[in-house]
Amino acid sequence: DSGVTQTPKHLITATGQRVTLRCSPRSGDLSVYWYQQSLDQGLQFLIQYYNGEERAKGNILERFSAQQFPDLHSELNLSSLELGDSALYFCASSFRGQYNEQFFGPGTRLTVL
Amino acid sequence: GIQVEQSPPDLILQEGANSTLRCNFSDSVNNLQWFHQNPWGQLINLFYIPSGTKQNGRLSATTVATERYSLLYISSSQTTDSGVYFCAVEIEYGGSQGNLIFGKGTKLSVKP
Repeated sequence: DSGVTQTPKHLITATGQRVTLRCSPRSGDLSVYWYQQSLDQGLQFLIQYYNGEERAKGNILERFSAQQFPDLHSELNLSSLELGDSALYFCASSFRGQYNEQFFGPGTRLTVL
Repeated sequence: GIQVEQSPPDLILQEGANSTLRCNFSDSVNNLQWFHQNPWGQLINLFYIPSGTKQNGRLSATTVATERYSLLYISSSQTTDSGVYFCAVEIEYGGSQGNLIFGKGTKLSVKP
């Protein structure tokens, strides 16, 4: 158990819908990262937050947004869902925003039908 | 951008055999991590190894940052070692640092 929690574990929804994925970092970690794992793209970085502020952006679509709350948990919002958004979404956390080990949550498996 | 290449892409072993997985990266990196993704999809931290050598039980890893490669050694493999092994590096991205770039992984199958 990495100490990073993600909910829900599985999510099945229809095209055009909006969903919210939730992540709680390890106790004491200030930085949260979101990654997407799909069959064709592999594991890709989406976005990073550090102590409530956006720190870095990767290959995140405009239909996707995220935020980190004062209690440091984070939410990833996916809207206008398409079939191609079906993937495993991981949250990771680390103490600092750089130069340190990242620990991954169990992931949320999203299926868009 | 930086390229992270892992080899071999697939590996089939008999239980008890040893193996070496390789990760090459095309540019200087700040840090490097090895992960095991088990059949249930969970990513498990194996090593945080920006340089040097570390050992944890039957697993060990070596990173030679100046030559831009890392090796993961698995000895006396067990069926529970099956899964995909990922190498990931930390680079500078858009002025900020911290996100990981993953290789495509090595899929390991250990047969009883």
